[in-house]
Amino acid sequence: KAGVTQTPRYLIKTRGQQVTLSCSPISGHRSVSWYQQTPGQGLQFLFEYFSETQRNKGNFPGRFSGRQFSNSRSEMNVSTLELGDSALYLCASSLELRLDEQFFGPGTRLTVL
Amino acid sequence: GENVEQHPSTLSVQEGDSAVIKCTYSDSASNYFPWYKQELGKRPQLIIDIRSNVGEKKDQRIAVTLNKTAKHFSLHITETQPEDSAVYFCAAANSGGSNYKLTFGKGTLLTVNP
Repeated sequence: KAGVTQTPRYLIKTRGQQVTLSCSPISGHRSVSWYQQTPGQGLQFLFEYFSETQRNKGNFPGRFSGRQFSNSRSEMNVSTLELGDSALYLCASSLELRLDEQFFGPGTRLTVL
Repeated sequence: GENVEQHPSTLSVQEGDSAVIKCTYSDSASNYFPWYKQELGKRPQLIIDIRSNVGEKKDQRIAVTLNKTAKHFSLHITETQPEDSAVYFCAAANSGGSNYKLTFGKGTLLTVNP
């Protein structure tokens, strides 16, 4: 089975721009969670989607949003980028009934200049 | 919400020694405690997990213990090898509800010196 994939792997943007990141879960996984990883704050939960519905959200501003499609693929969008948004964005997928066993993708490294 | 504290932030051991990483959590409803290993430039990978209905779990050189009363859990690695060098993250979650999310500790950089 193919693992979780994320595109693009690297991205450079400037302040004020917006960005869209994509995550394809493992086949059969319907839950997708997104995390922001930075050296200072570690791994922080952004949001979780299940069956195209956002079920849970972390403590991030409204500039961070996401969605999930009927094939379980998910996208996250960050608008009006700030320097502090530079981070590794990881998504993780899990089976419907095994929400606790999450498998991570390789991440998208976002650099905001 | 849940808060997870992880110690130490860095740990250096000699090959063959044991390594112990400790985490505490705040939410008594948390019932699932995974540990992830992240090598430099790679994705976090689940190495072991424990649920609140057991106190200890072992998988070869890796073991995890859980003390629900004290709200802390620990990762034990025995006979460490250089390939064990990585950042280790603990996490906690309540897997029973619909508001499921993993709350991570800040990570421990483990260095195993040959």
